[in-house]
Amino acid sequence: GAVVSQHPSWVICKSGTSVKIECRSLDFQATTMFWYRQFPKQSLMLMATSNEGSKATYEQGVEKDKFLINHASLTLSTLTVTSAHPEDSSFYICSVQLGLGADTQYFGPGTRLTVL
Amino acid sequence: AQSVTQLDSQVPVFEEAPVELRCNYSSSVSVYLFWYVQYPNQGLQLLLKYLSGSTLVESINGFEAEFNKSQTSFHLRKPSVHISDTAEYFCAVSVKAAGNKLTFGGGTRVLVKP
Repeated sequence: GAVVSQHPSWVICKSGTSVKIECRSLDFQATTMFWYRQFPKQSLMLMATSNEGSKATYEQGVEKDKFLINHASLTLSTLTVTSAHPEDSSFYICSVQLGLGADTQYFGPGTRLTVL
Repeated sequence: AQSVTQLDSQVPVFEEAPVELRCNYSSSVSVYLFWYVQYPNQGLQLLLKYLSGSTLVESINGFEAEFNKSQTSFHLRKPSVHISDTAEYFCAVSVKAAGNKLTFGGGTRVLVKP
């Protein structure tokens, strides 16, 4: 498997501010990372696919200008929630893929965002 | 496009009793199948997966799942559950041609009672 970390594990911010969430692959280089959001008692919804060195691919309905993704290195991808609103409050989880198109994803522990 | 249906949103079960979590999928192409477990306020952990070969796959902690192509199912079973198995379980599928992006079912919450 792969070890994936996220920072912070939880964050509370005021409405209108921006929040950055980091996803790190600790023990191997990840060409591809994924970002998901999970509302309480619901399943995971894929937000975007993050590829190192290129622009992220967003799923339909996800605002790319609101959820900025940067995958500047093979071990780090960041998700920035810009001008956060209470409806952005959610559990954000990243995952990594062991190689392009590899069959299995390994998940980080998640970041709980609460926007007041 | 693929879809995954987990028929039971919640399954209460007594400790040491068996449990089965149902998962059905829909896809026009071959898929890979996964079961992930999520403990409270944590990310997902891979429980087991089916890629090819034997249709019965097992995890190290006593879970097993069987791929049934004709019924498009991948049900998860454990013959005797422990309190520590209390968690949310997600079934997911991916398609190699689509970069193996995962499509998740709605999840099944397992509550093991003493």
